Amino acid sequence: DVKVTQSSRYLVKRTGEKVFLECVQDMDHENMFWYRQDPGLGLRLIYFSYDVKMKEKGDIPEGYSVSREKKERFSLILESASTNQTSMYLCASSRQEGAFFGQGTRLTVV
Amino acid sequence: KNEVEQSPQNLTAQEGEFITINCSYSVGISALHWLQQHPGGGIVSLFMLSSGKKKHGRLIATINIQEKHSSLHITASHPRDSAVYICAVYRGGADGLTFGKGTHLIIQP
Repeated sequence: DVKVTQSSRYLVKRTGEKVFLECVQDMDHENMFWYRQDPGLGLRLIYFSYDVKMKEKGDIPEGYSVSREKKERFSLILESASTNQTSMYLCASSRQEGAFFGQGTRLTVV
Repeated sequence: KNEVEQSPQNLTAQEGEFITINCSYSVGISALHWLQQHPGGGIVSLFMLSSGKKKHGRLIATINIQEKHSSLHITASHPRDSAVYICAVYRGGADGLTFGKGTHLIIQP
């Protein structure tokens, strides 16, 4: 079974904290993605990576950075968390047309 | 204008009804996904289509590439079908998926 694993299901952080969201896939996929999902706005792409150490900005990269040191791991970093980053974060990996999603991390910034 | 439009946004129906959710897109695609997300749950891929029709149990998905339109049908709907259904298109390359805003389906017993 294919697997995309996100490190936490629920996370509560304080404003100004540095936050790391980790995602690991076991399918040897080149492409990995970070999305956030908000009511009324749907899923929006934050960053994606098509190879180790490669990254591209998505639609809403502001306030976020990413790291891809190994093919199987793609990390999303909130340099200084703010309350408007409270959201559900979803990681996905894909090769060609197929996409597989992690379970999501619900992040609350207080 | 969103590149992927879904309708309806919300749908409430009685158990046993035939359900149709529509997806229209405005860009060239190489594949279209139908995804399901239960409340508080992760996203599961139901279908990936590049042409024609696929069936899995009570779920049927169709796509018309010329009309840039896809439908997801649920036959003999059941309360456990209550979820958000999301249409997403894949344009090729490493761009990832472009998502519709989802259809929130509630099936009442």
